[in-house]
Amino acid sequence: AQSVTQLGSHVSVSEGALVLLRCNYSSSVPPYLFWYVQYPNQGLQLLLKYTTGATLVKGINGFEAEFKKSETSFHLTKPSAHMSDAAEYFCAVTLNDMRFGAGTRLTVKP
Amino acid sequence: GAVVSQHPSRVICKSGTSVKIECRSLDFQATTMFWYRQFPKQSLMLMATSNEGSKATYEQGVEKDKFLINHASLTLSTLTVTSAHPEDSSFYICSARGVEGYTFGSGTRLTVV
Repeated sequence: AQSVTQLGSHVSVSEGALVLLRCNYSSSVPPYLFWYVQYPNQGLQLLLKYTTGATLVKGINGFEAEFKKSETSFHLTKPSAHMSDAAEYFCAVTLNDMRFGAGTRLTVKP
Repeated sequence: GAVVSQHPSRVICKSGTSVKIECRSLDFQATTMFWYRQFPKQSLMLMATSNEGSKATYEQGVEKDKFLINHASLTLSTLTVTSAHPEDSSFYICSARGVEGYTFGSGTRLTVV
């Protein structure tokens, strides 16, 4: 069975600082990995996904993530945080269905 | 791109009544749809997987007689919460899997009073 673990339920950064949200996966086969963002009382918006090929994946809004098989990680980064990035972020993995991590709440301080 | 319409976005119902939530794939066919439940400040928990024309597969701990899922066509799946109770109040999200991958609905906020 596949699963993901997000380290840190809450991350706080200053505006303009680096954003790093951590995700580690467990899968018996090469996984497909995803990052989603959720704003209050809204659905999920796909930021980026890794299926095959290039391990550095660029997404929307300046986010990117790198698939590291040796570390079983798929951490999400953004060089410079913006106030509008404040939201809940979910890492997810698929095999036969999609499973989500517990989520990380990102707070951006002015 | 692929779009999934989920309706209603918000519903308030009385305890003991039933509520139906619809999930439609608007521009693609979805042989498989998924239903998730999300409690406040928590993650999305998979409730069940539905395949068109067959019975849904429920995750452990999810009552299939309480959460009725119907996937009668390649573009529509419904979730009916029967005999709703306040503890069923939650955010329900559907997802449809097509050739482009997974597409999520915008969610339904259910409040049982």
